[in-house]
Amino acid sequence: ETGVTQTPRHLVMGMTNKKSLKCEQHLGHNAMYWYKQSAKKPLELMFVYNFKEQTENNSVPSRFSPECPNSSHLFLHLHTLQPEDSALYLCASSQEPGGNQPQHFGDGTRLSIL
Amino acid sequence: QQQVKQSPQSLIVQKGGIPIINCAYENTAFDYFPWYQQFPGKGPALLIAIRPDVSEKKEGRFTISFNKSAKQFSLHIMDSQPGDSATYFCAASRGGNQFYFGTGTSLTVIP
Repeated sequence: ETGVTQTPRHLVMGMTNKKSLKCEQHLGHNAMYWYKQSAKKPLELMFVYNFKEQTENNSVPSRFSPECPNSSHLFLHLHTLQPEDSALYLCASSQEPGGNQPQHFGDGTRLSIL
Repeated sequence: QQQVKQSPQSLIVQKGGIPIINCAYENTAFDYFPWYQQFPGKGPALLIAIRPDVSEKKEGRFTISFNKSAKQFSLHIMDSQPGDSATYFCAASRGGNQFYFGTGTSLTVIP
């Protein structure tokens, strides 16, 4: 399997639930990212991991908790989300941190908060 | 403040036409300008990218024009096909991991 794989593809959860999104990249990249994509808005960068270390947190609420156990896997743990958190969550990776490396995206997890 | 402004929001052209999507930026420190294509149900995929030391870059039917003094860049799709119907995003970055994306343009190519 190649590229960036995200699971699940769709997730419906209540506001009090706890769930996790998973991302796996098979490209040998060293940087991984979480983005939020909402209709009619620019992609919003949430978190950046370089060599498993978090280097960016763009003022993301604490109800979103990332985890990067190794360079190939990235998780986004969710708890007590709000209806406005319903969106497409995209994972991406790039070869190296910095240097304007092109980012490779997964197909996303469509999240719906009831 | 939106770092990259993209227009139009949507675009409909006939097959064979040349849709043009425009983006503008303010930060002169930006030095990498990629375009992404996104089909429904899929993640964005890198289409073509340009650096500010060139004014034009072509890859197949896709061309980026870059105007450094005006701080604008645009995507042209030559001989557009129905299979080009997708959402297109421009982006800009300044040497780090932080990419700033436009709001996207939904392109429909009518057969």
